[in-house]
Amino acid sequence: QKEVEQNSGPLSVPEGAIASLNCTYSDRGSQSFFWYRQYSGKSPELIMFIYSNGDKEDGRFTAQLNKASQYVSLLIRDSQPSDSATYLCAVEAWGGGFKTIFGAGTRLFVKA
Amino acid sequence: NAGVTQTPKFQVLKTGQSMTLQCAQDMNHNSMYWYRQDPGMGLRLIYYSASEGTTDKGEVPNGYNVSRLNKREFSLRLESAAPSQTSVYFCASSEGVSRGTGELFFGEGSRLTVL
Repeated sequence: QKEVEQNSGPLSVPEGAIASLNCTYSDRGSQSFFWYRQYSGKSPELIMFIYSNGDKEDGRFTAQLNKASQYVSLLIRDSQPSDSATYLCAVEAWGGGFKTIFGAGTRLFVKA
Repeated sequence: NAGVTQTPKFQVLKTGQSMTLQCAQDMNHNSMYWYRQDPGMGLRLIYYSASEGTTDKGEVPNGYNVSRLNKREFSLRLESAAPSQTSVYFCASSEGVSRGTGELFFGEGSRLTVL
C-alpha cells in the first residue's frame, strides 16, 4: 500500500464550480499535511498546509483534515481555468529525519 | 536570490554511463531532498538529507547514491544508468530538523533520458 493515495483523475469541473480533491494516508503518526500545485512542465509549489483537525481556509482554497480517518482534502471554490493543474497531496513522515512523501497527484481541468 | 539551482537541466545518457546531478540552495536550509517524477507516479523520494552530514534512503533508492557536500549542496549520482532511470529529477530543500520538513522549495527539474 502506497503511503499517500490520491485519485489520479482527471477531474473536470466547469468554471465557477467547487473542485474537491481527496487524499488518504497510511502513517497514523503523521502530523503535517500539504497541498502542492504543479503546472505542466513546472515545479511543484505549496498552496496550503494543515496541521490540526478541521478546516483551514485561505482565499478560495480550503484544506480539511481528519486524522481519525487519515483523510485530507482540498476544496477550490469558484474554480478558474488558471486552476487547471496537477494537485499533489503530501504528508510529512519520520524515518531517521523528517521527510515528505507525495501522492501520485490529481489532474484538475477547469472548463471555461 | 536563486533559491534551489539544479544542473544540468537536460541530459541524455547511454545505458551503463554514469553521471551526477548537482543541486545547491541559498536559503540556509537544513534539509535537502531528491525526487523523481514519472507520468502518473507523482513525486517519489529517492534520498534525503535531514541535516548536513546525514543522508537516508527514501522510497526508491536503488541505483542511486548521494552526497551532502556541505549545507548548500546535495548531489545525486547514477553509477550505471538504466533506461528505467529515465525521468524528471527534482531537488528540493526545506528548513527541516526539529520543525519537521515544512514547505519544500523545488528546483526547476532535470530531465534525464537513458537510451
